[in-house]
Amino acid sequence: NAGVTQTPKFQVLKTGQSMTLQCAQDMNHEYMSWYRQDPGMGLRLIHYSVGAGITDQGEVPNGYNVSRSTTEDFPLRLLSAAPSQTSVYFCASSHLAGGSSEQFFGPGTRLTVL
Amino acid sequence: QQQVKQSPQSLIVQKGGISIINCAYENTAFDYFPWYQQFPGKGPALLIAIRPDVSEKKEGRFTISFNKSAKQFSLHIMDSQPGDSATYFCAALLNNAGNMLTFGGGTRLMVKP
Repeated sequence: NAGVTQTPKFQVLKTGQSMTLQCAQDMNHEYMSWYRQDPGMGLRLIHYSVGAGITDQGEVPNGYNVSRSTTEDFPLRLLSAAPSQTSVYFCASSHLAGGSSEQFFGPGTRLTVL
Repeated sequence: QQQVKQSPQSLIVQKGGISIINCAYENTAFDYFPWYQQFPGKGPALLIAIRPDVSEKKEGRFTISFNKSAKQFSLHIMDSQPGDSATYFCAALLNNAGNMLTFGGGTRLMVKP
């Protein structure tokens, strides 16, 4: 099992550019989510999905889009990058199992927007 | 508005000492409280978790103490080791809200040899 994988590891964008952060899991988890991590603010939920074809917004969804066409993949799209989106992005997955199921995190993508 | 507040932001402990990290929450509907450990360049990983019907949970050198009336919980690391140096996050999960976790701001722990 590879667990949760994320690509790329590092990315530098210019303001206004678009890109997609990739996330994949091979554990057949129903729940997948995206967080951003900023110093002193912990991890904040951007978007999440409870299954293929179902997505919803988290705490900080503005500027980000997601889709979930398969159980395994959950890409995060930045349509027009802004310097405020400079952050480390983590994808996580888990079984739904009543809400206390352990969430497994990927290694992260460090994004810098100039 | 941060629903889970964590302190301190950073902590330096001597090897063999006790590390204590505190968290406070506001929403009484939270019903699951995990702690995550994160090493530099890695994603967070679940360390230990507790439900509010239990006042204490111990796994090896790691203990969670939970005070439901005060809406506070804490992580104690006994006999702290340099390998424990990492960032620790408390979190809370809202009842009937799927797997949505609310995280505290994190504590950077350094254990000096």
